[in-house]
Amino acid sequence: SQTIHQWPATLVQPVGSPLSLECTVEGTSNPNLYWYRQAAGRGLQLLFYSIGIDQISSEVPQNLSASRPQDRQFILSSKKLLLSDSGFYLCAWSVPGLAGDNEQFFGPGTRLTVL
Amino acid sequence: GESVGLHLPTLSVQEGDNSIINCAYSNSASDYFIWYKQESGKGPQFIIDIRSNMDKRQGQRVTVLLNKTVKHLSLQIAATQPGDSAVYFCAEILSGGSYIPTFGRGTSLIVHP
Repeated sequence: SQTIHQWPATLVQPVGSPLSLECTVEGTSNPNLYWYRQAAGRGLQLLFYSIGIDQISSEVPQNLSASRPQDRQFILSSKKLLLSDSGFYLCAWSVPGLAGDNEQFFGPGTRLTVL
Repeated sequence: GESVGLHLPTLSVQEGDNSIINCAYSNSASDYFIWYKQESGKGPQFIIDIRSNMDKRQGQRVTVLLNKTVKHLSLQIAATQPGDSAVYFCAEILSGGSYIPTFGRGTSLIVHP
């Protein structure tokens, strides 16, 4: 069966510090991978998605970046965090091109607080 | 679609009542729709899906209705329980496209015992 992991679960970082959030998927190959941010009490905002290794598309301009060094690893980074980067970060995966089965499977999320 | 920047609407119901959560989608060409449930502090979880060639689909205690004429989707929860309290999101997908879903802004369901 497939599983998705995210770490850390919670993180408190000072403004201006770097960030690295990691997401890994097990039990599937060549998944589509996604990073979302969710502000408190709000909806999901797609940040990045990837259809393959080193293939990253950015949906929203910001001071964040994403990388996919391996097929099932997706990393969200920042060189200098802003207060507005606080939120709940969700990684998700989906199986590409499988007709009739396009649902996304979400990880447990990382709660980031920037002080 | 609806803006993800707006605060979530809230639906409050009593335990045992039926709940109806609504969603307006944006792309008339979308042909696959999903409802997700997100409990506090957790990632969204799949509830039920429906393809555009259907008007209704039933699961366990949940029913999804699709009205393509007005681009409207609803989720009905029968005999709502406290454990149903969560934020519910609809998502629309255009199969054959990028497979990137467009999420609605979500509805917070509060079930009072």
